[in-house]
Amino acid sequence: EAGVAQSPRYKIIEKRQSVAFWCNPISGHATLYWYQQILGQGPKLLIQFQNNGVVDDSQLPKDRFSAERLKGVDSTLKIQPAKLEDSAVYLCASSLDSQSFTEAFFGQGTRLTVV
Amino acid sequence: GNSVTQMEGPVTLSEEAFLTINCTYTATGYPSLFWYVQYPGEGLQLLLKATKADDKGSNKGFEATYRKETTSFHLEKGSVQVSDSAVYFCALRNPGGGNKLTFGTGTQLKVEL
Repeated sequence: EAGVAQSPRYKIIEKRQSVAFWCNPISGHATLYWYQQILGQGPKLLIQFQNNGVVDDSQLPKDRFSAERLKGVDSTLKIQPAKLEDSAVYLCASSLDSQSFTEAFFGQGTRLTVV
Repeated sequence: GNSVTQMEGPVTLSEEAFLTINCTYTATGYPSLFWYVQYPGEGLQLLLKATKADDKGSNKGFEATYRKETTSFHLEKGSVQVSDSAVYFCALRNPGGGNKLTFGTGTQLKVEL
């Protein structure tokens, strides 16, 4: 079974530039998550989708971050404009559904460095 | 709200030593509890889980028991190997919190020969 695919693996941009990350979840998984993992911290949920609808985006900085999941499959996360504090690993995960006992599978992440 | 507290690392052990990584949680209701592992250069992988009180999750020699009375889910392994060197994350999903996965800060384990 193919896992969660993310691209790019690494990205370096200057502050105030824009950047986009792409995620392809495991086939058939209805729930998709984007997490931000700052160095030395645990992953923090940015946004959760159920199919193509947003379930939770309470911690997404909406003035600069946006995400979409068209057709309930692939998803993109965009940052515009980027700030230095956005330097982090951005993890995409998917699960079959959003039940509490369901395992979430993670991609390898995109490491963003803002200079 | 929901939160997870883990012991700070790094934890450095000799091969074949006993491992305990403490994890406690705060949540209303009945969360499911998870341990994820992140090997160098790789993504997070589920190590084990427990979905109700007194359940014991186990995998690859690691164990953790869901203790509701102490709100804990400590990770243990009887004999660690160099290949166990990684960062370990405790996490919970709570129906009362929208079922989002909430993580602790992670504990780095280094196992030396």
